[in-house]
Amino acid sequence: NAGVTQTPKFQVLKTGQSMTLQCAQDMNHNSMYWYRQDPGMGLRLIYYSASEGTTDKGEVPNGYNVSRLNKREFSLRLESAAPSQTSVYFCASSHQFWGQGDTEAFFGQGTRLTVV
Amino acid sequence: GDSVTQMEGPVTLSEEAFLTINCTYTATGYPSLFWYVQYPGEGLQLLLKATKADDKGSNKGFEATYRKETTSFHLEKGSVQVSDSAVYFCALIGMDSSYKLIFGSGTRLLVRP
Repeated sequence: NAGVTQTPKFQVLKTGQSMTLQCAQDMNHNSMYWYRQDPGMGLRLIYYSASEGTTDKGEVPNGYNVSRLNKREFSLRLESAAPSQTSVYFCASSHQFWGQGDTEAFFGQGTRLTVV
Repeated sequence: GDSVTQMEGPVTLSEEAFLTINCTYTATGYPSLFWYVQYPGEGLQLLLKATKADDKGSNKGFEATYRKETTSFHLEKGSVQVSDSAVYFCALIGMDSSYKLIFGSGTRLLVRP
């Protein structure tokens, strides 16, 4: 029962470097999400994919891009990392998009990213 | 727009003490309300939920009641254990946020033996 798997778990980048955070779910969920978690600010939605083939911006999309590679996988890319992107990143999935009545999200264990 | 406000932590309690973590929300209409829990080194897990006014969500000895009149969804547990030490997030899904899951800032709970 893997659920939502994120890789890597830890990463240190230099300012200006790029990287891709990977996320895969094995629950046959239609919707997937990327959040960042910062101290005192809770979790903020970066991007989401309500269904395979669609992606939309969340609350804090600047500096990020996403790809819904297939139904299982949803990646987050930082093209030119900045210190302000130091955070813990969580991927989540749900059976249907929340606006369609499904209300439970399943989260990965997170990726701790430091940009120096 | 939709928002969630939680009491600041950390909350430190002795084992078997009574727990209350306050949560209030701002939203139009009747959002769905949730408590998620994050244990050290892990992702978030749904703890309980309530989808309409006066509903009570409960799980693992935790309870929260959806109070429309006070726009609140406070989390309670009668007797906490050391294993309850975690960060607790109140959250909602509402139409003002286009039905996206919006989180509060989280409250860290430390339970001492």
